[in-house]
Amino acid sequence: DSGVTQTPKHLITATGQRVTLRCSPRSGDLSVYWYQQSLDQGLQFLIQYYNGEERAKGNILERFSAQQFPDLHSELNLSSLELGDSALYFCASSVGGGGEQYFGPGTRLTVT
Amino acid sequence: AQSVTQPDIHITVSEGASLELRCNYSYGATPYLFWYVQSPGQGLQLLLKYFSGDTLVQGIKGFEAEFKRSQSSFNLRKPSVHWSDAAEYFCAPHQAGTALIFGKGTTLSVSS
Repeated sequence: DSGVTQTPKHLITATGQRVTLRCSPRSGDLSVYWYQQSLDQGLQFLIQYYNGEERAKGNILERFSAQQFPDLHSELNLSSLELGDSALYFCASSVGGGGEQYFGPGTRLTVT
Repeated sequence: AQSVTQPDIHITVSEGASLELRCNYSYGATPYLFWYVQSPGQGLQLLLKYFSGDTLVQGIKGFEAEFKRSQSSFNLRKPSVHWSDAAEYFCAPHQAGTALIFGKGTTLSVSS
């Protein structure tokens, strides 16, 4: 158990819908990262927050957004969902702005 | 551009045999280096990390990795593989201030 929690574990929704994925980092970690894992794209970095501020952006679509709250938990919002958004979404956390990251169990999103 | 290559997509090893998974990276300066393991349906678990110093690093579950600057490599090894080691393994270089970049992964199968 890495100490990073993610909810929900599974999510099934229809195209065009909007969903919110939630992540709680390990106690004491200030950074939260979001990744998307799919068969064709592999593990792709989406976005990083550090102590409430956006720190780095990767291959995140404009339909996707994230935020980190004062209690350091983070939410990833995915809107206008398409079939191709079906993937595993992982959250990771680290103590500082870099270094090793600890991953949550992931949320499997299925868009039908 | 920063990149990481795991040349072997799939490797099959007999139980009890030794294992080496290859990782090569291309970065301007030596990055931090990580190996992660992902069991089916699970999140990623940090196996080991290299920041600096001794080029042979020990990790969990009996794994080790050797950093070779001249070859830009960070290969993962295990002297005797167990059936429970069957999983997908990811090499991930990381340069401070940039995102963690994952290789495409190597799937390890263990035969009895």
